[in-house]
Amino acid sequence: NAGVTQTPKFRVLKTGQSMTLLCAQDMNHEYMYWYRQDPGMGLRLIHYSVGEGTTAKGEVPDGYNVSRLKKQNFLLGLESAAPSQTSVYFCASSYGTVYEQYFGPGTRLTVT
Amino acid sequence: AQSVTQLGSHVSVSEGALVLLRCNYSSSVPPYLFWYVQYPNQGLQLLLKYTTGATLVKGINGFEAEFKKSETSFHLTKPSAHMSDAAEYFCAVNLSGGSYIPTFGRGTSLIVHP
Repeated sequence: NAGVTQTPKFRVLKTGQSMTLLCAQDMNHEYMYWYRQDPGMGLRLIHYSVGEGTTAKGEVPDGYNVSRLKKQNFLLGLESAAPSQTSVYFCASSYGTVYEQYFGPGTRLTVT
Repeated sequence: AQSVTQLGSHVSVSEGALVLLRCNYSSSVPPYLFWYVQYPNQGLQLLLKYTTGATLVKGINGFEAEFKKSETSFHLTKPSAHMSDAAEYFCAVNLSGGSYIPTFGRGTSLIVHP
């Protein structure tokens, strides 16, 4: 099993550009999450999904959109990137909220 | 509602010394508690977890944690630090019996000196 994979691993965007981050899991997990990690801020939840076709806002959803068209995939979109979105983005999945989360390796995004 | 506080953003120990990373939580119902470790340039991975049953939980790499309900704590310990333990450690809490989303602490960076 590959576990949780993220594409791409690195990306540099100019302000105003758009992009999509892809998260895929092969563990048949219902729950998937997108976090951003910034120095001194820990992990902050952007959006999450409790099943195929569902999404919900987390702590810091502004400027991001998500889609869960297939159970195994969770996409995070930035429509108009801003320097404040420079961060490391992690995807995670789990069987449910009381189970441990499995994390991807992260995507390092720089917006100039 | 639930919350997690990790005391100390950085903890420095000598190799061979005791490691103690502190985590306190608040919750209105019995919690599920987790410790994760993040090595440089990697994602988080589970160290150990407490759900129900024995309050002393053993994890990977010689780490253990004890759930103390009266103190609302779930501190992480290791008797003897190794250089390879240098990493970021995150405590997380979730509530049983509901559709809550886990809450993470801000993390503690463990520095191990030779």
